[in-house]
Amino acid sequence: QKEVEQNSGPLSVPEGAIASLNCTYSDRGSQSFFWYRQYSGKSPELIMFIYSNGDKEDGRFTAQLNKASQYVSLLIRDSQPSDSATYLCALGSGAAGNKLTFGGGTRVLVKP
Amino acid sequence: GAVVSQHPSWVICKSGTSVKIECRSLDFQATTMFWYRQFPKQSLMLMATSNEGSKATYEQGVEKDKFLINHASLTLSTLTVTSAHPEDSSFYICSASRANSNQPQHFGDGTRLSIL
Repeated sequence: QKEVEQNSGPLSVPEGAIASLNCTYSDRGSQSFFWYRQYSGKSPELIMFIYSNGDKEDGRFTAQLNKASQYVSLLIRDSQPSDSATYLCALGSGAAGNKLTFGGGTRVLVKP
Repeated sequence: GAVVSQHPSWVICKSGTSVKIECRSLDFQATTMFWYRQFPKQSLMLMATSNEGSKATYEQGVEKDKFLINHASLTLSTLTVTSAHPEDSSFYICSASRANSNQPQHFGDGTRLSIL
């Protein structure tokens, strides 16, 4: 079983709709969770991080964490064609919680 | 915000060549930097943790004599791919976060390495 699981997609979303991405993980001791966006040929860029159960909103993005069920999700509201990318879920570990384990990523396609 | 610079962005070289990649934190000190490798259509895989002033910690399956890591200062880590072969062709990415902080990592722009 992989440590961090994501549906590879592609997730096709009409422009203006909500894109919902899910990520499940196996390590119950995980304390920090991250969502990165990666465009083709580029390095990942941080979208959100969340440490506590519940929701965290930042602009059009909302991260949701449920430690009991071991999943973290990302909602993208009012999806735009520029949101088309691969979204990587990552868990932090190590003493500082900054050693990342990535999921395989979900490819999102926003169609005009 | 924090900026991580990686150089070079592209390298094309012959088999057997050693290639050095630099990773710099531009406006903060980083006691720890990380090196990842990403093959096409795959996710990032952590290769090693670079620790300032001490030996790097390598992930299982990563040859430490093949991938030499030096973290000589709080703002610079280098990865040297020694005697590179075509199977080493990949996208290499470094990341760093502020010292003594649990703030998220920021990634360099990556180095695309192609070995002919």
